[in-house]
Amino acid sequence: GENVEQHPSTLSVQEGDSAVIKCTYSDSASNYFPWYKQELGKRPQLIIDIRSNVGEKKDQRIAVTLNKTAKHFSLHITETQPEDSAVYFCAASKNSGYSTLTFGKGTMLLVSP
Amino acid sequence: DVKVTQSSRYLVKRTGEKVFLECVQDMDHENMFWYRQDPGLGLRLIYFSYDVKMKEKGDIPEGYSVSREKKERFSLILESASTNQTSMYLCASSSPSGEGGNTIYFGEGSWLTVV
Repeated sequence: GENVEQHPSTLSVQEGDSAVIKCTYSDSASNYFPWYKQELGKRPQLIIDIRSNVGEKKDQRIAVTLNKTAKHFSLHITETQPEDSAVYFCAASKNSGYSTLTFGKGTMLLVSP
Repeated sequence: DVKVTQSSRYLVKRTGEKVFLECVQDMDHENMFWYRQDPGLGLRLIYFSYDVKMKEKGDIPEGYSVSREKKERFSLILESASTNQTSMYLCASSSPSGEGGNTIYFGEGSWLTVV
């Protein structure tokens, strides 16, 4: 089955800095890669996703890049703000409606003012 | 807006008790999931269901069972709760169709403590 590795497990940055979280996956058939943000005490929520027909996707201050050859994808957050502090999970699956997501172990991002 | 509702947010149960965690979604989604979340271990899939009365084992099904009698409702059952099942349980749903296929929506979570 799929295996997703996520690094780092914790990340501390100063407000305004950039943050990068990296994930690798094992199943070359995977082609859907979402990122979820979980604030303290709340549910994980989808913030951005990428499908294997594109290499990069941006949404305001967040972007995701995908390298299918190397089987890794990354989340980039620019101009970080304290409200970006949360746990971020990457995930991977085949883009079939009957596939399940395999999650990484999560990255706790702390943005200090 | 998709709504996935878990009826119990916080539960304390005794070892050996039978525990039911209920989940309801209001978006007519075919797929429903139960995950367990533990610090440092991420989100691990316990069971999932593609349709009414159908169920599939996830990565950590031992000690759990599920029931899906209606499309909108997916229940997680701990037949005999043990202390190592103390955790946060997240229900989720998704639709296999459309551009947003595979996007899963989570409930708020149920914190279970087994003493």
